[in-house]
Amino acid sequence: GAVVSQHPSRVICKSGTSVKIECRSLDFQATTMFWYRQFPKQSLMLMATSNEGSKATYEQGVEKDKFLINHASLTLSTLTVTSAHPEDSSFYICSARDQLPSGYNEQFFGPGTRLTVL
Amino acid sequence: GQNIDQPTEMTATEGAIVQINCTYQTSGFNGLFWYQQHAGEAPTFLSYNVLDGLEEKGRFSSFLSRSKGYSYLLLKELQMKDSASYLCAVKDSNYQLIWGAGTKLIIKP
Repeated sequence: GAVVSQHPSRVICKSGTSVKIECRSLDFQATTMFWYRQFPKQSLMLMATSNEGSKATYEQGVEKDKFLINHASLTLSTLTVTSAHPEDSSFYICSARDQLPSGYNEQFFGPGTRLTVL
Repeated sequence: GQNIDQPTEMTATEGAIVQINCTYQTSGFNGLFWYQQHAGEAPTFLSYNVLDGLEEKGRFSSFLSRSKGYSYLLLKELQMKDSASYLCAVKDSNYQLIWGAGTKLIIKP
């Protein structure tokens, strides 16, 4: 099946610093990538949808100036958490959508990045 | 608004069968997905239903009734490794996935 990687898997940073998370589709071209956040014991919360070569579409309540998304190529999207604060500590997961022959677009998830802001 | 309901937690015995229900109210319907998520890991795809009926895939089966806004995931011959959260997600008219909060399944020996 399709493989999506994320880097780093874990990051600990000080409050006020910025953190970049990379999401790569390894064996397919992903025209659309999604960024999710998940707090403990809660479901996935979609933060934004990014399409290659265009600006990301952010969900209501997600600050676009704080969570910078760049989808520069068909295999790479990055999420930068700027001026991170402890409340940004969460599990960040990306997914990529591939156009399958069957006609439905299944999302393939990366392994996630655990962000801890001190 | 859009809403997906599934039980918060279920417990079952190793070797038994368990059914996890999901009801949904969404603006349009373009398919329903079930994902498995182990603690601290990303979700993995289990099944997809777009037409009414049962889809069987090994020990796992998924059922859909669009008229009732209802689906279930059936797990047979439960194994300890099946302990995980099971997420129901519906693709709405904008082809956006709407996620349920997940059902934590606990398997006891």
